[in-house]
Amino acid sequence: GEQVEQRPPHLSVREGDSAVITCTYTDPNSYYFFWYKQEPGASLQLLMKVFSSTEINEGQGFTVLLNKKDKRLSLNLTAAHPGDSAAYFCAVNYGSSGNKLIFGIGTLLSVKP
Amino acid sequence: EAAVTQSPRNKVAVTGGKVTLSCNQTNNHNNMYWYRQDTGHGLRLIHYSYGAGSTEKGDIPDGYKASRPSQENFSLILELATPSQTSVYFCASGTDNNQAPLFGEGTRLSVL
Repeated sequence: GEQVEQRPPHLSVREGDSAVITCTYTDPNSYYFFWYKQEPGASLQLLMKVFSSTEINEGQGFTVLLNKKDKRLSLNLTAAHPGDSAAYFCAVNYGSSGNKLIFGIGTLLSVKP
Repeated sequence: EAAVTQSPRNKVAVTGGKVTLSCNQTNNHNNMYWYRQDTGHGLRLIHYSYGAGSTEKGDIPDGYKASRPSQENFSLILELATPSQTSVYFCASGTDNNQAPLFGEGTRLSVL
């Protein structure tokens, strides 16, 4: 079945630095990908939804890259600020009907002033 | 506004006791999910449902049952709670496979 590996589990950067979180998956048939942000003690908030047809997706202060050949998804925060400190999770659809998600283990990002 | 509401938000249970976690959604979503979150594992799918009356096993269903009596409500039942079930549980609802599930606020369960 689908497996998702997320790296790194912990990431500490200075304000203004970039931060990169990467997920690799195994099922070449996966076609929907999601990034969620979770602040301490809170629920998961959708950061971005990525379709397999689009390799570069841009949001506010971040870019998501999808490399279908290598089965790799990355979240790039271009200039991190302390408000970005949170846990980030990638999720990949799987299953015959495609509406189940498998999550990475998460990356705890700390942005120091 | 789309919402998924879980209750209780915090629960302390004794080993061997029965625990019921409830989830209500007002989004008219067909699909509902129960996940548990543990450090080092991310979120893992326990049970899910495609609609009222249906429940399906997820990736880690052992020790859990689920009930979907209506479109809006989806419960997770621990008949005989064990300390290994101490975790944070998240309910989510969603539509078809191109929509991101919407998550509730989570229930923190401690089994002593």
